[in-house]
Amino acid sequence: NAGVTQTPKFQVLKTGQSMTLQCAQDMNHEYMSWYRQDPGMGLRLIHYSVGAGITDQGEVPNGYNVSRSTTEDFPLRLLSAAPSQTSVYFCASRNRVSPLNYGYTFGSGTRLTVV
Amino acid sequence: GDSVTQMEGPVTLSEEAFLTINCTYTATGYPSLFWYVQYPGEGLQLLLKATKADDKGSNKGFEATYRKETTSFHLEKGSVQVSDSAVYFCVSAQKLVFGQGTRLTINP
Repeated sequence: NAGVTQTPKFQVLKTGQSMTLQCAQDMNHEYMSWYRQDPGMGLRLIHYSVGAGITDQGEVPNGYNVSRSTTEDFPLRLLSAAPSQTSVYFCASRNRVSPLNYGYTFGSGTRLTVV
Repeated sequence: GDSVTQMEGPVTLSEEAFLTINCTYTATGYPSLFWYVQYPGEGLQLLLKATKADDKGSNKGFEATYRKETTSFHLEKGSVQVSDSAVYFCVSAQKLVFGQGTRLTINP
């Protein structure tokens, strides 16, 4: 099925560990973005990309890195995990041409706990 | 900057009750507005949308009308079901600004 695939679904890290959250889409969407969801705060944009080779920072980029070497993949890296990064992370994508008509497609999320 | 303010939850209703979840926005222009729904354990799904003033979005019995004069996009449903229990997000599409979410629980 076409859509956005995120892996893993759950992850527990120790403080200081690094890891990569994977995001892949098979809809040939130009735009991809990462959000974190914290209680009472909606979704906050971490990083986004408007196409392969292009990334930019969102509202809360500190502690996270991204790259976009292909249209399909947009991994999110935590270089040194901190308890403040405990959250649910969502990847989303959309078509550049018709974002207002079709909205965004979201992955099912990654629940990350940093202890 | 752009912002979206939603009615605070949680909201608990009985089955067949009338639902309103308030949403107001601030923006430099007239952004498209969305309601997204997140069912337990799942990602976000687009519920409905409106792209210009006075547009009414509707889906699954839910409706929302884009009111430019009050900068609002309130979500309504005439008769809720247990299966409507979820978290609802009002979203301004211009910069994908999310409201904080409203958790809705429907009791049988």
